[in-house]
Amino acid sequence: QQQVRQSPQSLTVWEGETAILNCSYEDSTFNYFPWYQQFPGEGPALLISISSVSDKKEDGRFTIFFNKREKKLSLHITDSQPGDSATYFCAAKENNNNRIFFGDGTQLVVKP
Amino acid sequence: DPKIIQKPKYLVAVTGSEKILICEQYLGHNAMYWYRQSAKKPLEFMFSYSYQKLMDNQTASSRFQPQSSKKNHLDLQITALKPDDSATYFCASSRTGGSYAEQFFGPGTRLTVL
Repeated sequence: QQQVRQSPQSLTVWEGETAILNCSYEDSTFNYFPWYQQFPGEGPALLISISSVSDKKEDGRFTIFFNKREKKLSLHITDSQPGDSATYFCAAKENNNNRIFFGDGTQLVVKP
Repeated sequence: DPKIIQKPKYLVAVTGSEKILICEQYLGHNAMYWYRQSAKKPLEFMFSYSYQKLMDNQTASSRFQPQSSKKNHLDLQITALKPDDSATYFCASSRTGGSYAEQFFGPGTRLTVL
């Protein structure tokens, strides 16, 4: 059973629009949720993260909204830029565990 | 300069052979990891090491053996290679092994088994 699910699989937005990437998880023991950005041929790079005690985390144009009761979170990218075109992975960790569980990713394309 | 070095970037092997994937990190981190990314599955955790000791192993097959000769090295030996082993293997590291410790990923080694 996949622990972390993402939707949509792919998303295309115009430059300047807000991209919304969705994520849900199964295990209620997860307490830390990093989002990774991956460009072709590169490794994933941490973009922004949130712990389960918060419901919102903002860093520039990137904001995570977290709903613990529904086990859902979303990443909002405002004023999307063509350079944001990449695959975004939602991930989850549980307390006292090094393992990161990744979703399948959302491939974002930002058209100029 | 790259902080996590993985060698080689691309690797082609024949079924049944053995290969070693190299990983070195220059971040001064104490924990290192291996993940696998294949076409059909999301990024999967394989191993974690902390201070050169195995902490967690989620790889069912003993054909995968991590090797830590130095604190900043964590190589991955794969024996009796199968086509299903074809994937990109990522090494990662973090300052500590704690829950909130940010894991930094290397550029990966893409392995193709023919």
